Amino acid sequence: NAGVTQTPKFRVLKTGQSMTLLCAQDMNHEYMYWYRQDPGMGLRLIHYSVGEGTTAKGEVPDGYNVSRLKKQNFLLGLESAAPSQTSVYFCASSSPGGAYEQYFGPGTRLTVT
Amino acid sequence: SQKIEQNSEALNIQEGKTATLTCNYTNYSPAYLQWYRQDPGRGPVFLLLIRENEKEKRKERLKVTFDTTLKQSLFHITASQPADSATYLCAPSFSGGYNKLIFGAGTRLAVHP
Repeated sequence: NAGVTQTPKFRVLKTGQSMTLLCAQDMNHEYMYWYRQDPGMGLRLIHYSVGEGTTAKGEVPDGYNVSRLKKQNFLLGLESAAPSQTSVYFCASSSPGGAYEQYFGPGTRLTVT
Repeated sequence: SQKIEQNSEALNIQEGKTATLTCNYTNYSPAYLQWYRQDPGRGPVFLLLIRENEKEKRKERLKVTFDTTLKQSLFHITASQPADSATYLCAPSFSGGYNKLIFGAGTRLAVHP
């Protein structure tokens, strides 16, 4: 099992460019999440999905869009990148319910200049 | 708003000693509390989960306590080793609904030989 994988690992964008981050999991998890992590701050939830075809906003959704067309994949899009979106992005997946741990991918380091 | 506080200063200890990390939360009552380990450049990895009706949970050299009156969790690593050096994140969560975790910023632990 590969667990949770993310592509790409690194990316540099210019302000105003767009990109899509891909997350894939092979654990048949219903729930998937996108977080961003900035220095000195905890992981902050951007968007999440509780099943194929469903998405919802998290704590910091502005400037991002997501799609979950297949159960195993969760895509995060930046429509018009801004320097404030420079961060490390983590995808995670889990079974339903608060008693279940989340499995994280290795992260994508994004720099917007 | 919900808030998680972990000691932002790094904890430096000698190999073989017990490391104790603190997690305080305010403005909500989680049903569970999870602890994760994060190494530089990697995604968080789940370590332990403790339920609100459990006072203490152990796993090998790890011990977690959960005091719902004080709104605090303590994370202990006994007989610490240099390989335990990492950042440790606490994440209270809730029963029902999606698996909402609110992550603290983490405490960096450095175990010196």
